[in-house]
Amino acid sequence: DAGVTQSPTHLIKTRGQQVTLRCSPKSGHDTVSWYQQALGQGPQFIFQYYEEEERQRGNFPDRFSGHQFPNYSSELNVNALLLGDSALYLCASSLAAGAGYGYTFGSGTRLTVV
Amino acid sequence: AQSVTQLDSHVSVSEGTPVLLRCNYSSSYSPSLFWYVQHPNKGLQLLLKYTSAATLVKGINGFEAEFKKSETSFHLTKPSAHMSDAAEYFCVVRSGQAGTALIFGKGTTLSVSS
Repeated sequence: DAGVTQSPTHLIKTRGQQVTLRCSPKSGHDTVSWYQQALGQGPQFIFQYYEEEERQRGNFPDRFSGHQFPNYSSELNVNALLLGDSALYLCASSLAAGAGYGYTFGSGTRLTVV
Repeated sequence: AQSVTQLDSHVSVSEGTPVLLRCNYSSSYSPSLFWYVQHPNKGLQLLLKYTSAATLVKGINGFEAEFKKSETSFHLTKPSAHMSDAAEYFCVVRSGQAGTALIFGKGTTLSVSS
């Protein structure tokens, strides 16, 4: 049973560019959450998607946007990249009916902005 | 607002000795608390969770944690450290009774020497 799959694993972008990160949830899960983990810090909640809608959002600017597809997979888009956006981006899937328990995390995408 | 504070950024132990990683929480109601572990270049793995059932929670790999409301603490312990326990550990609280976002502490790096 595949867990959470994220792609790509690493990428390097230039300031001002746009980036799209992808996540396939664990089989049977219908909810996807995205987290940003800066070096030496704990992950910070960006937003959560359920039924193709953004259900909850953390304290991140509108440059961060997302999408969920009918097959429950999700994308995280970041526009106008800043050096400070360099981080590990983690995707977590869960079952909405589980009231937030039972998160499964992917290994993340390491984004470097130069 | 919910929050967690990990009291030690780095803990060093010898193999075979006990492990204690300290976490205090702040919550206006009975919280849902978790401990996650992150090994280098790997995703976050759930060690254990407290959801208002038994105050002593047993997790995987011999770890356990005790919820102490009077002390607002949720410390993680293990009787005997193993080299493979060396990793980053995060204390986590769910953002709200209805919310499902996770709020992470800054993490504690556990080093285990032989």
